[in-house]
Parts: sequence; C-alpha cells; structure tokens
Amino acid sequence: KNQVEQSPQSLIILEGKNCTLQCNYTVSPFSNLRWYKQDTGRGPVSLTIMTFSENTKSNGRYTATLDADTKQSSLHITASQLSDSASYICVVSLPYSSASKIIFGSGTRLSIRP
Amino acid sequence: NAGVTQTPKFRVLKTGQSMTLLCAQDMNHEYMYWYRQDPGMGLRLIHYSVGEGTTAKGEVPDGYNVSRLKKQNFLLGLESAAPSQTSVYFCASRSYESSYNEQFFGPGTRLTVL
Repeated sequence: KNQVEQSPQSLIILEGKNCTLQCNYTVSPFSNLRWYKQDTGRGPVSLTIMTFSENTKSNGRYTATLDADTKQSSLHITASQLSDSASYICVVSLPYSSASKIIFGSGTRLSIRP
Repeated sequence: NAGVTQTPKFRVLKTGQSMTLLCAQDMNHEYMYWYRQDPGMGLRLIHYSVGEGTTAKGEVPDGYNVSRLKKQNFLLGLESAAPSQTSVYFCASRSYESSYNEQFFGPGTRLTVL
C-alpha cells in the first residue's frame, strides 16, 4: 500500500536552533516528493520539490534531502524563527499522476519558542 | 490574483442539514480538488475534476457531491450532514501543464456538524 509517514508528530524547539523533520514513504513507482508548509488556519504552501534524480533542494533556511534508495526524505530548518511555527507536510506523487495519485503525510507540527 | 478562494470560512450545521462549499480560482487551472483534513491524518481526497463539466471520486467520496459547471468554480455539497463530516475542507487547483503536480490551496473551510 502506498503510504507516507512523517516523524515526529510534533516538535518544540527554541528560536535560533536547527531541526530536522523526517518523511518515509512506500510509494512505488515514484515521481517526485514535495514539502509543504501549512500555517495555522491556512492552506498548505509548497516549500521544495525534488524528483527521484535529485537528492537535495534548498529554499532559504529550508533544505530538503531525498534518498530514493531508502525511500526517505528530510527537511532541515536552520536558525529557526518564530514564523517557522507551522505544520510541515510531505507529499509524494506517482509518475504520470492522475489527479488522485498524490499521497499526503499527516504532517509534523513544529512550534518555535522564544 | 486572488489565487484559490473558499466560501464560507466557518460553518456550523445540525445533523441532516445540507450546505454547499464554494471554491473559486483565477489561475485558469484545469484540475481542481476537494480535500478534508482531520487531526492526525493526511489530507484525503474527496472528489476532483480534470476540467469543466467533469468530476471523479477520490478516496473518501461518500456523503459528498460536487459540480464543475464553470472552469473557475468547484462546488462541494453535503446533502445530509453527519457529525463524521466535521472537518476542515481544502480546495486546491493545478495546471494540467504542471509537470511536478504542484497544487495551490485555498485557506480552508472549518465545518462543524452537531
């Protein structure tokens, strides 16, 4: 069964610290993996996208990595800020996806404390 | 551009009542989606549409109906609301030409069924 699992479910860190969020997937075949940021009360917004041939992608203080062999991805946040408090969702797409072949993880809720 | 908008933002229904959620996008996207988001679970696809006049079932379609009479609008209907339909509903859209399946999300509708 195609699944996307994220860990931890929630995380609290102090402002200025770094953190890493994990995503494991069993989706096969695989086309691309995307990380979304979802602020409280808002819709998800795309942070990074990686195809199966890419192993890292950065967007400012956000760096995503992908290991297609182990089917793992991570999202590293450097020098966290209060505005990073949000849920982070890992999403995997199948190749030539019909509209329904996009699988969402349940997200990691990140809280940044001053 | 407003992107993807949803109406209403909040709604409380009694069991058995009906309502329609409206999604509108101004990006001329072909694909539109309705998801529900529940605590501890990933976004789950309810219905989707690949173009005006077409709709298809997603992962959790029971109890919902949809219509796409105009390309820019996608309506989600609940004919007889049940407490199990208490959730946050997100609409999304994407371009058929998007090779990486990037979806753009609306701000969500929080629905409570008593």
